[in-house]
Amino acid sequence: NAGVTQTPKFQVLKTGQSMTLQCAQDMNHEYMSWYRQDPGMGLRLIHYSVGAGITDQGEVPNGYNVSRSTTEDFPLRLLSAAPSQTSVYFCASSKGQGRYGYTFGSGTRLTVV
Amino acid sequence: RKEVEQDPGPFNVPEGATVAFNCTYSNSASQSFFWYRQDCRKEPKLLMSVYSSGNEDGRFTAQLNRASQYISLLIRDSKLSDSATYLCVVNRVNDYKLSFGAGTTVTVRA
Repeated sequence: NAGVTQTPKFQVLKTGQSMTLQCAQDMNHEYMSWYRQDPGMGLRLIHYSVGAGITDQGEVPNGYNVSRSTTEDFPLRLLSAAPSQTSVYFCASSKGQGRYGYTFGSGTRLTVV
Repeated sequence: RKEVEQDPGPFNVPEGATVAFNCTYSNSASQSFFWYRQDCRKEPKLLMSVYSSGNEDGRFTAQLNRASQYISLLIRDSKLSDSATYLCVVNRVNDYKLSFGAGTTVTVRA
């Protein structure tokens, strides 16, 4: 049982490039989400999904796209990378409404130069 | 005002000491409360849920004060391995989304 798997672990992009951060969970969790973590600001929600085919925006969605075609996968796309998107990105999943807490992936450290 | 606020610390304590810190939340409709632990450059991991009556897990004790809208975490007999950032996390009623505090850093020294 792998839990939540994120790839890649590290990535350097040039401004204007696009890429997809991958997230997969094998716990049959209905809820999945993407956060970014910046120093002193805590975790901020980018996008989330309450099930396959359903996604919604969090508090910092600009510059990012998501889709949820299966229960297991929830990729995050950076459309045109900017230095302000340099951050650590975490994917998380939960089996129900937040009262069960989240399981996090190990994170992706992204640098945009 | 942030939904969840924490004293960033750092709290520097010697091994064996007791350390305690609080977190305040602004939404009175909040339903579920958690403490997460995050080690440097690692993902957050659930430390414990916080129940209305308060609860213990080994050396860790969590309390909830709904009237004043804060939760607390107390660590007894601190170990070097307790050095980490502790995140306060709050969930609103009927909501999947969790709100995270920015974290309290604890450093336990030998």
